[in-house]
Amino acid sequence: EAGVTQFPSHSVIEKGQTVTLRCDPISGHDNLYWYRRVMGKEIKFLLHFVKESKQDESGMPNNRFLAERTGGTYSTLKVQPAELEDSGVYFCASRPYGMTGRDGYTFGSGTRLTVV
Amino acid sequence: TQLLEQSPQFLSIQEGENLTVYCNSSSVFSSLQWYRQEPGEGPVLLVTVVTGGEVKKLKRLTFQFGDARKDSSLHITAAQTGDTGLYLCAGYTGGGNKLTFGTGTQLKVEL
Repeated sequence: EAGVTQFPSHSVIEKGQTVTLRCDPISGHDNLYWYRRVMGKEIKFLLHFVKESKQDESGMPNNRFLAERTGGTYSTLKVQPAELEDSGVYFCASRPYGMTGRDGYTFGSGTRLTVV
Repeated sequence: TQLLEQSPQFLSIQEGENLTVYCNSSSVFSSLQWYRQEPGEGPVLLVTVVTGGEVKKLKRLTFQFGDARKDSSLHITAAQTGDTGLYLCAGYTGGGNKLTFGTGTQLKVEL
């Protein structure tokens, strides 16, 4: 079974530019999550999709961030325009429908975003 | 805001030594998960503890959930170089269906 795939693995962009991160969850996983670790801080929740619907986007920092999951398969996270404080590692995770707190999340390897 | 504090933040030990990592919060979690992360990879689930006072063992790793479900510990017996990595606790609250991660413990085991 293929795992959660994220690309690019690294991205270096200039302040003010736009970047789009992509996540391909494990096939059949309805739940898709985005998390972020900013340098020196803990990993923090950004948002949660169930299929194509946003279930919880309480962690999205501001309206420069736009997440989509058209068709309920892969998801994209667009940052426009990027700011220096957006630098960090963005993780995607997925879980099948109906999972509880007893069940873990499968994380991708992350996208390291550097805004200069 | 729920916070999970891990201690120590960094730990460097010799192979064969024992160690304990702590994960503390003032909040109650319905379950607590422990992950290990290696450079360039995402967190990988080690174990989930659900019941207050629960103890789970995974080979040389022993995980305990506090009676009040606010804290947890990870004990490694006879550490090996392969145990090197970033250990993360993460609390789960059922209503939110999301994880609150701890601050992390970077473990380095040397020969």
